[in-house]
Amino acid sequence: QKEVEQNSGPLSVPEGAIASLNCTYSDRVSQSFFWYRQYSGKSPELIMSIYSNGDKEDGRFTAQLNKASQYVSLLIRDSQPSDSATYLCAVSRNQGGKLIFGQGTELSVKP
Amino acid sequence: GEEVAQTPKHLVRGEGQKAKLYCAPIKGHSYVFWYQQVLKNEFKFLISFQNENVFDETGMPKERFSAKCLPNSPCSLEIQATKLEDSAVYFCASSQTEQASFSNQPQHFGDGTRLSIL
Repeated sequence: QKEVEQNSGPLSVPEGAIASLNCTYSDRVSQSFFWYRQYSGKSPELIMSIYSNGDKEDGRFTAQLNKASQYVSLLIRDSQPSDSATYLCAVSRNQGGKLIFGQGTELSVKP
Repeated sequence: GEEVAQTPKHLVRGEGQKAKLYCAPIKGHSYVFWYQQVLKNEFKFLISFQNENVFDETGMPKERFSAKCLPNSPCSLEIQATKLEDSAVYFCASSQTEQASFSNQPQHFGDGTRLSIL
């Protein structure tokens, strides 16, 4: 079992729809959770960080964390073609700790 | 600087040669991380530093890989006697220290160095 698991996709949604990306993790000690976006050939770009159970909203993005279920998700509202990228879920244990990445979910937003 | 700066962008080496990659973290960030991404596969953690000190080296291949972060110099990752399987993009990331917090501050990534071993 991988430490961080994501559906590899591709996930295809029409422009304007909500894209829902899911991630599960196995290490209960994990304390910090991140979503990164990576365009092809580019470096990962931080989208959201979340540390507490519940929802965190930033513009069109909402991250949800459920530590009891070891589950973190990212919702993208009003999806745009420019959102088409690979979304990486990453978790870490403590300050200064390494990131453990999932395999990424490829999102395609169709005009 | 305001960004993690990695050099070179591309590096081509013949099998068996040495490769050296550099990373300047964001000013004021105390943690530096090196990751390896092979093709589109998962990121593999290699090593991290807290200032000049090795913080976690559990991902480093024991034999051919070494890394340093010295004061007033870019951090470096060196691969001796490169192999074809070392071909990958090597990303450097840095993060701040948050006082009185156990949470991990977000890591900010450089543009990566694409290493091609021929």
